[in-house]
Amino acid sequence: AQSVAQPEDQVNVAEGNPLTVKCTYSVSGNPYLFWYVQYPNRGLQFLLKYITGDNLVKGSYGFEAEFNKSQTSFHLKKPSALVSDSALYFCAVRDRRGSQGNLIFGKGTKLSVKP
Amino acid sequence: DTAVSQTPKYLVTQMGNDKSIKCEQNLGHDTMYWYKQDSKKFLKIMFSYNNKELIINETVPNRFSPKSPDKAHLNLHINSLELGDSAVYFCASTSTGRRTEAFFGQGTRLTVV
Repeated sequence: AQSVAQPEDQVNVAEGNPLTVKCTYSVSGNPYLFWYVQYPNRGLQFLLKYITGDNLVKGSYGFEAEFNKSQTSFHLKKPSALVSDSALYFCAVRDRRGSQGNLIFGKGTKLSVKP
Repeated sequence: DTAVSQTPKYLVTQMGNDKSIKCEQNLGHDTMYWYKQDSKKFLKIMFSYNNKELIINETVPNRFSPKSPDKAHLNLHINSLELGDSAVYFCASTSTGRRTEAFFGQGTRLTVV
């Protein structure tokens, strides 16, 4: 079965410091990986995706993620965190079964950025 | 110009009632989903649907039924609501093909009392 794991329930970072939100995956074949962000009482917003090609993927709001096949990881990063980055972050993998490819989500990681 | 819109945003109802949540997308996508987010923020797929097939997550009770009048709409109907149905329900849409991201609605917070 395909899955993603987010080992940290919460990540705390000081504003201006780099941040990393971890994600590992378990899939058969090549993975299609995604990061989403959820602000309080809002829907999920797409940040970035890895399909193929360059292992470093750049996305919205200055976020990037590094695909590492040997470590089966897809960690989300940002060089300098903002207080406004505080939110719930979800890693997801596309289900390869069937034709519709729904997203399978990790449990989410709460990012807290303090001034 | 909202891409995926759900109504209502909040829904409070009594046990045993039947309710519907509406979802519309104006992105021209051909695949739509319903996800449930529980109190611990876990997101689980309930249904996926395009003009060819409906795929139902086997863990979803048959009190839940998706209804799609056309490609741009996928409504969620729930019969005989139970306390455990309280959650946030998200609609999403995408284009067929696993390379494309899904776009999500704002969610409907359902509270069963």
